[in-house]
Amino acid sequence: AQTVTQSQPEMSVQEAETVTLSCTYDTSESNYYLFWYKQPPSRQMILVIRQEAYKQQNATENRFSVNFQKAAKSFSLKISDSQLGDTAMYFCAFSGNQFYFGTGTSLTVIP
Amino acid sequence: EAGVVQSPRYKIIEKKQPVAFWCNPISGHNTLYWYLQNLGQGPELLIRYENEEAVDDSQLPKDRFSAERLKGVDSTLKIQPAELGDSAVYLCASSLRGGTGGTGELFFGEGSRLTVL
Repeated sequence: AQTVTQSQPEMSVQEAETVTLSCTYDTSESNYYLFWYKQPPSRQMILVIRQEAYKQQNATENRFSVNFQKAAKSFSLKISDSQLGDTAMYFCAFSGNQFYFGTGTSLTVIP
Repeated sequence: EAGVVQSPRYKIIEKKQPVAFWCNPISGHNTLYWYLQNLGQGPELLIRYENEEAVDDSQLPKDRFSAERLKGVDSTLKIQPAELGDSAVYLCASSLRGGTGGTGELFFGEGSRLTVL
């Protein structure tokens, strides 16, 4: 069975600094996708970044980038130049034959 | 393009009353999900539809929860009777699956927040 593990329940970062959120997963599938979703307080869950497992190049989206280590089954999210609007719950997710979420990391950006 | 639409956004009911939530997925998305999300936790799958077929309802408490997806488009999630522990946010999501065009990315609605008194 697939599992997605986020070992950091809560994190904080100073505004303008960089923070990395960790995620590991377990699967026997060879073709899959990985995602980071952001859910601001009382707001809609939105996609931050997507990584195709067959691509070696790490995905980037503006201030957001991932470190995808397929052999290690690791998929961390780096947020550069953190902004107050980045305060949210962040969920790592796996999509193969089914879709699985991690338990989330609550990130607080401190002014 | 319209996103996933859910209604109502908020619902307050007395325990033992029935409640229903409605979801309209993104046009063309054949996979629809209902999730339950408690405060500060991740989404928990209740049921997944592929078109009009419920392909995964193993986590749906069938004694009080029911769902349907008529014609493979809109879906309704019902709770009858509601219990205090059902207070949560009910999320609907849809995705485009299959073939080379599907990444499995989920698109979420804004959720329906249920409070049972």
